Formats: sequence, structure tokens, C-alpha cells
Amino acid sequence: AQSVAQPEDQVNVAEGNPLTVKCTYSVSGNPYLFWYVQYPNRGLQFLLKYITGDNLVKGSYGFEAEFNKSQTSFHLKKPSALVSDSALYFCAVRDAFKAAGNKLTFGGGTRVLVKP
Amino acid sequence: DGGITQSPKYLFRKEGQNVTLSCEQNLNHDAMYWYRQDPGQGLRLIYYSQIVNDFQKGDIAEGYSVSREKKESFPLTVTSAQKNPTAFYLCASSGNRGGATDTQYFGPGTRLTVL
Repeated sequence: AQSVAQPEDQVNVAEGNPLTVKCTYSVSGNPYLFWYVQYPNRGLQFLLKYITGDNLVKGSYGFEAEFNKSQTSFHLKKPSALVSDSALYFCAVRDAFKAAGNKLTFGGGTRVLVKP
Repeated sequence: DGGITQSPKYLFRKEGQNVTLSCEQNLNHDAMYWYRQDPGQGLRLIYYSQIVNDFQKGDIAEGYSVSREKKESFPLTVTSAQKNPTAFYLCASSGNRGGATDTQYFGPGTRLTVL
């Protein structure tokens, strides 16, 4: 079975400081990993994904994520946070070999609050 | 949210009623999905369809039904058998028959409240 954990319900950071949102995963095969952001009462917006290749993935709005196979992690990062980055962030995983119907499994979400 | 529309944005249902949530996409995607989001929880998969006229149950299909008669449309019916339907419902789509590397793109959601 595939699963993903986001250990922090909320992350608080001052504007201009680095932002990190943690994600760990569990799959039996190779992972495909995704990050999404959700603003209040809106759908999810895709930020970035890791399929294969370079462990550092760059995405939208200045976000990046680093795939670490030994630690089974895929943490989302932004060097300098903006107030407008305040939102709910979801990590998702798919097992490359076993995911029937392209099923994505989502973490519980991490709320990011960036204070001015 | 571009390319995927959901309607209505807000929906109120009386107990015992069936209601249908609309999802339309103009991205020419093969695969479409329905998720349910509850406060403080991640998304849970209700149904998915990888091709027209075919669909599969997800993790929480009980009390829901779908159809996929057209490529661009994947309506979800919340039946009276769904015991706790109040939630935020999200539709998504992806290309290439939902291949493993495909990105799922989401609509803006429908918030369903049972009165």
C-alpha cells in the first residue's frame, strides 16, 4: 500500500525567511511524488512533481522540492516566503508499479502561515 | 483551476435527496476523478474513470454514483445512502488515460451541505 505523511499540521514563518514543508512517503515500488497548494475554498493547484532524474525539482512560484530516497522524503522548500504563500499544502504519492487507476494518495495537509 | 469547471459552487441538500455535482473539462484529458475533502483531512478518492464509458470505485464509493458518457463530463451523484455527505468535493482530470506519471489537475470544487 502507498501512504504519505505530513508530520506538521501548521508551519509558521516570517516573511522573507526560508519555508520548508515536510513530507515522507511509503511505497513498495518507485515513488512518483507531487506537491499541490490550496487556497481557501479553491481547488488544488499543482506546484511540482518528481518522476525520475535530478533529486531537486523546481516548480511554480519559486518552490522546489528535494527527493531523498534513503529518507523516503520529499520536502517542499522556498528560499524566501511571501505572505501570499499562506495556504494549505498537500503532498501526494503514487506507486510507479502498483497504483491501479493512477491513484494518488494524499497527505493530510500542512497549513502554512507567513507573517509580515 | 483553468480548464476544469465544477457546478454549482455551493449546494444544499435535504436529507433523503439525491443531488448531482457537475464536472466538465476542456483539456481533452482521458482520465477524470472525484475526491472528497473533509476538514483537517487529505483528499479521499471516490470514483475514477480512465476512459469514456468506464469507471472504477475508489476508496469511499459507497453512497455515490458516477457516469462517463462523454469524454469531457464526469458527473457525481450523491445518493441518500451516503450517511455523511457534507464535504468539499473536488473533480480532477489527467491526460493519457491516467498514466502513472500524469499530473492531475483540479477544478474549483463544490461545497455540499446537508440541511
